[in-house]
Amino acid sequence: AQKVTQAQTEISVVEKEDVTLDCVYETRDTTYYLFWYKQPPSGELVFLIRRNSFDEQNEISGRYSWNFQKSTSSFNFTITASQVVDSAVYFCALSETGANNLFFGTGTRLTVIP
Amino acid sequence: DAGVIQSPRHEVTEMGQEVTLRCKPISGHNSLFWYRQTMMRGLELLIYFNNNVPIDDSGMPEDRFSAKMPNASFSTLKIQPSEPRDSAVYFCASSLGSGRFYEQYFGPGTRLTVT
Repeated sequence: AQKVTQAQTEISVVEKEDVTLDCVYETRDTTYYLFWYKQPPSGELVFLIRRNSFDEQNEISGRYSWNFQKSTSSFNFTITASQVVDSAVYFCALSETGANNLFFGTGTRLTVIP
Repeated sequence: DAGVIQSPRHEVTEMGQEVTLRCKPISGHNSLFWYRQTMMRGLELLIYFNNNVPIDDSGMPEDRFSAKMPNASFSTLKIQPSEPRDSAVYFCASSLGSGRFYEQYFGPGTRLTVT
């Protein structure tokens, strides 16, 4: 079973629209971390955010915001007033207790149309 | 500060040849990870080092793959002999510590094509 599910394979929005990328995870651990990474067309993976399982406060960083809800095992990512530079593949990832690595979702390709 | 450095950025080789990918982690980071990214399988962890010691190599596909970390500033991933199904983007990542507490910083990747 997938530990991290990103059901949206591809999303296209027009510039300045808001867009939410969904992430649903599965774990039996009570202590875990969730991450979002961005992979622009240049190919590198850029770290965006890390949240631990005990901190359900929503976080905002500029045009980016994250909504963590343990009740639904979701960690969604919203981009407000999207820009062409936001076009990329976005990955959600999970790290569990005792795990050394990240379990990545399959990614959501976001295209922002000017 | 320099990020994670990988070389080469692109590698094209023929089936059966040996391929060596190189990685220099961020200075001061003591954990290093090798990942492989393909369309079919997404991002997969191949091997993880902590303080230059391989901790988890369960993701290494088969004996044709080997990885070393002779010191804190250098690691190699070797494929011998290479096969077309090894074609992928190989990422190296490093972090300050081990496990889930620290975010990983990724290099630009090496795009390997085996013909």
